[in-house]
Amino acid sequence: DVKVTQSSRYLVKRTGEKVFLECVQDMDHENMFWYRQDPGLGLRLIYFSYDVKMKEKGDIPEGYSVSREKKERFSLILESASTNQTSMYLCASSLPRTGSTDTQYFGPGTRLTVL
Amino acid sequence: DQQVKQNSPSLSVQEGRISILNCDYTNSMFDYFLWYKKYPAEGPTFLISISSIKDKNEDGRFTVFLNKSAKHLSLHIVPSQPGDSAVYFCAASATLRGFNKFYFGSGTKLNVKP
Repeated sequence: DVKVTQSSRYLVKRTGEKVFLECVQDMDHENMFWYRQDPGLGLRLIYFSYDVKMKEKGDIPEGYSVSREKKERFSLILESASTNQTSMYLCASSLPRTGSTDTQYFGPGTRLTVL
Repeated sequence: DQQVKQNSPSLSVQEGRISILNCDYTNSMFDYFLWYKKYPAEGPTFLISISSIKDKNEDGRFTVFLNKSAKHLSLHIVPSQPGDSAVYFCAASATLRGFNKFYFGSGTKLNVKP
């Protein structure tokens, strides 16, 4: 069974703080993703990575950066947290496309509140 | 601009009846479609998928239908059970420079009443 874990379920931070969200997967997946989920907007892709040290911007990268130093770990960084970054953050991983098994596995999410 | 849309934010169905969740997409490059189910305080879990070369895929009580000409897919749950109450996300996948990228709808909250 694929397992994707996220370092915190709930976080409360202050405006201007630097925030680190950690994600670890145990299935040797090449691809990893960071999304945020907001009511009425669904899941929006922030950043993704298809290999160690490789990263690609998603649809809403502004205010975020990422780090992938090891294959199993993908970190999301909020350089200077703002209240509009209050959201549910979801990490996911997947294998490269193999035709019939093109799916992502999600972690439980981190509910971040920025005051 | 959202490329995958779920226009019904919520749906209420009686236990034992059919639930039909709908999803529309705009990008003809999408070639793989998925449904995820999400309970509160948990991450989404994969439910069922369909390749663009098919028009139907069935897995137990869950069937996904794809109408490529209309750029529309639907998820049928028969019979619906109270445990099916959750938020359902539709997703579409396209290959971008050799790797897959996923686009999600905004979700439909299904409530199955006993």
